[in-house]
Amino acid sequence: GAGVSQSPSNKVTEKGKDVELRCDPISGHTALYWYRQSLGQGLEFLIYFQGNSAPDKSGLPSDRFSAERTGGSVSTLTIQRTQQEDSAVYLCASSPSEDYGYTFGSGTRLTVV
Amino acid sequence: QKEVEQNSGPLSVPEGAIASLNCTYSDRVSQSFFWYRQYSGKSPELIMSIYSNGDKEDGRFTAQLNKASQYVSLLIRDSQPSDSATYLCAVEPRRALTFGSGTRLQVQP
Repeated sequence: GAGVSQSPSNKVTEKGKDVELRCDPISGHTALYWYRQSLGQGLEFLIYFQGNSAPDKSGLPSDRFSAERTGGSVSTLTIQRTQQEDSAVYLCASSPSEDYGYTFGSGTRLTVV
Repeated sequence: QKEVEQNSGPLSVPEGAIASLNCTYSDRVSQSFFWYRQYSGKSPELIMSIYSNGDKEDGRFTAQLNKASQYVSLLIRDSQPSDSATYLCAVEPRRALTFGSGTRLQVQP
């Protein structure tokens, strides 16, 4: 596609429920990243996929968070048993390779009530 | 010490002036450096990349890198009100970018 596509754009969920966030990167981009941004804060790295290599999960804040990337393209970030502190904008980005700048999607605003 | 440090601002400059945004980083192995612009409620947008010491110019933007001092800067010439945004410095010490918390720039008409 022309850009990085994320869905849903907004998600309101009850505390304790599971949520899935989807990211469709730019066609041909081998690297895919997930970040989150809390209100007024910087970007916090979550997870990174590069081609068929094992993902770098070093930024995931707890074992409630997981992500997968199917067929080297679409990625899903899953948050289990959501907590209020999970409320943030979740941003997906892709790039042609590790040394290039990223193109970000428009993000998913997650609100846990 | 944060890995990437920026003054949060706001930095206020009059229209037509030069805005100077600064960033320091802690990891000496960093090789790639980027500046992103983020408008309120929007996603970050890449505006500059720099990999070697010195200056890199692109239109009204100039990125400056000094690896010995672990310092990156962004100059915006002839600042416009439309440049008002938060500017994020990003550094690649490993495989994923580490972002600073951003400097808010306000350009006064």
